[in-house]
Amino acid sequence: QKEVEQDPGPLSVPEGAIVSLNCTYSNSAFQYFMWYRQYSRKGPELLMYTYSSGNKEDGRFTAQVDKSSKYISLFIRDSQPSDSATYLCAMSFIYNQGGKLIFGQGTELSVKP
Amino acid sequence: ETGVTQSPTHLIKTRGQQVTLRCSSQSGHNTVSWYQQALGQGPQFIFQYYREEENGRGNFPPRFSGLQFPNYSSELNVNALELDDSALYLCASSLRRDPPYEQYFGPGTRLTVT
Repeated sequence: QKEVEQDPGPLSVPEGAIVSLNCTYSNSAFQYFMWYRQYSRKGPELLMYTYSSGNKEDGRFTAQVDKSSKYISLFIRDSQPSDSATYLCAMSFIYNQGGKLIFGQGTELSVKP
Repeated sequence: ETGVTQSPTHLIKTRGQQVTLRCSSQSGHNTVSWYQQALGQGPQFIFQYYREEENGRGNFPPRFSGLQFPNYSSELNVNALELDDSALYLCASSLRRDPPYEQYFGPGTRLTVT
């Protein structure tokens, strides 16, 4: 079993839709949770990070962490064609583990005009 | 502010050869991490360098080695290349080695081993 599981998609939605992207994980020691966006042939770009449980909002993006269920989500409101990319969740421990981020497989999102 | 840069962009090597990939960290960042991303997969942590010392390592064999220089730029060296080493190699820099590990990635070097 992988430490972080993410549905690879692809996920296709019409412009303006609300998108929900999810990851589950097995290691309860994870404390930092991040979402990265990766456009084709580019490096991942950090969107948001949260510490422990709770919600965090940044513009059209909302990140949620439910540690009791070992489940994290990223919501994108009013999705745009420019949001079409692969979304990667990543996690890390609270103590120094050599800066190791553990990534999910990534979900490919396509927003159609 | 200059972002993370990597060179070369693309590279084709033959099995058994050696390769060196280079990374310049974002201005002010003293920590560099390297990741391998196979096609259709998430990045996998290779190792991290902090102030010229290896600070942590993932599940990669010793033929994957690295260096960090006084200006915080870094190299990834891979010896005895195997076909499975074909991947996108990503470098990420961060302001510090402590949580929350906000890491900023470069565009990557795509390595093809034939």
